[in-house]
Amino acid sequence: DGGITQSPKYLFRKEGQNVTLSCEQNLNHDAMYWYRQDPGQGLRLIYYSQIVNDFQKGDIAEGYSVSREKKESFPLTVTSAQKNPTAFYLCASSIGRATDTQYFGPGTRLTVL
Amino acid sequence: KNEVEQSPQNLTAQEGEFITINCSYSVGISALHWLQQHPGGGIVSLFMLSSGKKKHGRLIATINIQEKHSSLHITASHPRDSAVYICALGEGSNYKLTFGKGTLLTVNP
Repeated sequence: DGGITQSPKYLFRKEGQNVTLSCEQNLNHDAMYWYRQDPGQGLRLIYYSQIVNDFQKGDIAEGYSVSREKKESFPLTVTSAQKNPTAFYLCASSIGRATDTQYFGPGTRLTVL
Repeated sequence: KNEVEQSPQNLTAQEGEFITINCSYSVGISALHWLQQHPGGGIVSLFMLSSGKKKHGRLIATINIQEKHSSLHITASHPRDSAVYICALGEGSNYKLTFGKGTLLTVNP
């Protein structure tokens, strides 16, 4: 089945530790996105990638890093510099532009203790 | 920057009722997306509109480009329709979407 997967579903980390969230897609999509969702707020874009080996900062990139070494994979690292990392993180992919449907993964709920 | 407003924020309905959720925006767009987020957190894309109207089962989405307004309608609502409905705007060739805060719909049996 084609789709987009994220792992793990729940993640607990101690303050000060870096943590990497996985996102994999087998839809052959060029574009991939990372969003953060907090209660009462709309989805906010962290990073996006239009093509392999290229990525762009979104609206709230500070404290996060990404890589896009393969078309299928777009991991997100939440670094210790992110001041408030506890949130729900969603990965998505699409064929290309903002007019194209985005397909979302199931999300990872990160809690920093 | 495009501002997107959804209304209402929360909506409670009885099973079978006709539901309308609204989305208004401030700047011209190339596409408007309606998304559904279930309590587990996963998001599903329902519609992408650039003009007119689309229908899928009991769901209908309309957009009025001149008035910068879109509506999502659910006919014969059912408890399984309970979810957060999110409006998102796409502009030109920009890859980024602008998301509304969502409307929490609860349908009681």
